[in-house]
Amino acid sequence: EAQVTQNPRYLITVTGKKLTVTCSQNMNHEYMSWYRQDPGLGLRQIYYSMNVEVTDKGDVPEGYKVSRKEKRNFPLILESPSPNQTSLYFCASSFAPAEKLFFGSGTQLSVL
Amino acid sequence: AQSVAQPEDQVNVAEGNPLTVKCTYSVSGNPYLFWYVQYPNRGLQFLLKYITGDNLVKGSYGFEAEFNKSQTSFHLKKPSALVSDSALYFCAVRDPLRNTDKLIFGTGTRLQVFP
Repeated sequence: EAQVTQNPRYLITVTGKKLTVTCSQNMNHEYMSWYRQDPGLGLRQIYYSMNVEVTDKGDVPEGYKVSRKEKRNFPLILESPSPNQTSLYFCASSFAPAEKLFFGSGTQLSVL
Repeated sequence: AQSVAQPEDQVNVAEGNPLTVKCTYSVSGNPYLFWYVQYPNRGLQFLLKYITGDNLVKGSYGFEAEFNKSQTSFHLKKPSALVSDSALYFCAVRDPLRNTDKLIFGTGTRLQVFP
């Protein structure tokens, strides 16, 4: 089954404790992205990747890091999480920029 | 700069009635437009897209959207709403002059269909 898998589904952490949210897709997509969803703000892009070792900033990259060492994986790293990073995070992938995005089920992050 | 607006936070409609969820956009070139739906505790799912061609686009679950260039709109429609259509709907736009995977999403419209 074609899917984008994110883990964990829920995460509660404390300020400053490094964390990683994993994302993996099994569709051989070149394009992968991370979004955060906040009430009243919709989805905002954090980072995107057009291929292995090619990443670029989205609209709200501050406080986040990503890497794309393999085509299927695109982890999101919070080196020093802060409460304003409490949000619902989605990973997505697609064949090409004009094609539809496939989304993971989301990661609800709470930073205390 | 490219942008997309969904002017209604919530739309309420009775089951069996037609529904419309509004979306307007602003891009520098001809837009690529998308609609996604989010059911509770789920990720977003693709409904339909417009890139070029016929202004009326048909998508999943009986939804369709009409591209109107003069009004810069891409409203989502369905002739007869179902209770199961209740969800959060997002419009998104991509500016094809920018060769990235970047979609700009609207703030979302919650559709509530009452029995």
